[in-house]
Amino acid sequence: SQTIHQWPATLVQPVGSPLSLECTVEGTSNPNLYWYRQAAGRGLQLLFYSVGIGQISSEVPQNLSASRPQDRQFILSSKKLLLSDSGFYLCAWTRLADTDTQYFGPGTRLTVL
Amino acid sequence: AQKVTQAQTEISVVEKEDVTLDCVYETRDTTYYLFWYKQPPSGELVFLIRRNSFDEQNEISGRYSWNFQKSTSSFNFTITASQVVDSAVYFCALASGTYKYIFGTGTRLKVLA
Repeated sequence: SQTIHQWPATLVQPVGSPLSLECTVEGTSNPNLYWYRQAAGRGLQLLFYSVGIGQISSEVPQNLSASRPQDRQFILSSKKLLLSDSGFYLCAWTRLADTDTQYFGPGTRLTVL
Repeated sequence: AQKVTQAQTEISVVEKEDVTLDCVYETRDTTYYLFWYKQPPSGELVFLIRRNSFDEQNEISGRYSWNFQKSTSSFNFTITASQVVDSAVYFCALASGTYKYIFGTGTRLKVLA
């Protein structure tokens, strides 16, 4: 069966520090991968999605970036965090079909102070 | 433009009451998919159901039921005999031929003992 992992689970970082969040999927090949952010009490904002290694589409221009160095690994990064980057970051995957069900990871709760 | 509206921001019910969460969608596509997810306090989004636009049959799974009506562009979710464990934020989502899923803003359900 397929499993999606995210780490770290929680993170507290000072403003201006770098960020690296990791997401990995097990039990499937060539998944579509997604990064979402959820601000406190708000809905889901799609940040990036990827249909293959090295293929990243950005939905919201900001100081975040994403990379997919391996088929089942998706990384969210920032060189300098802003206070507004605080939130709950969720990674999701689907099989190759574009309207397949998205399955979500456990999330990373990021607080920028 | 595609859109998902969950007009109910928060609903409170007493345990054992029935509750319906509303979802209204907009799309010009004839083929599309609708989803419901549950987000408990832990944060992870849990997939509940996926329905395609050609299948208007209502579905029942235990205490959960879904009413899909294309005529009113609605995909409502009913919990029968609610329990405290049903307390969560519930998201409705739409997908139609792109890699982007359109999520509603969510409905927070509080079930009081």
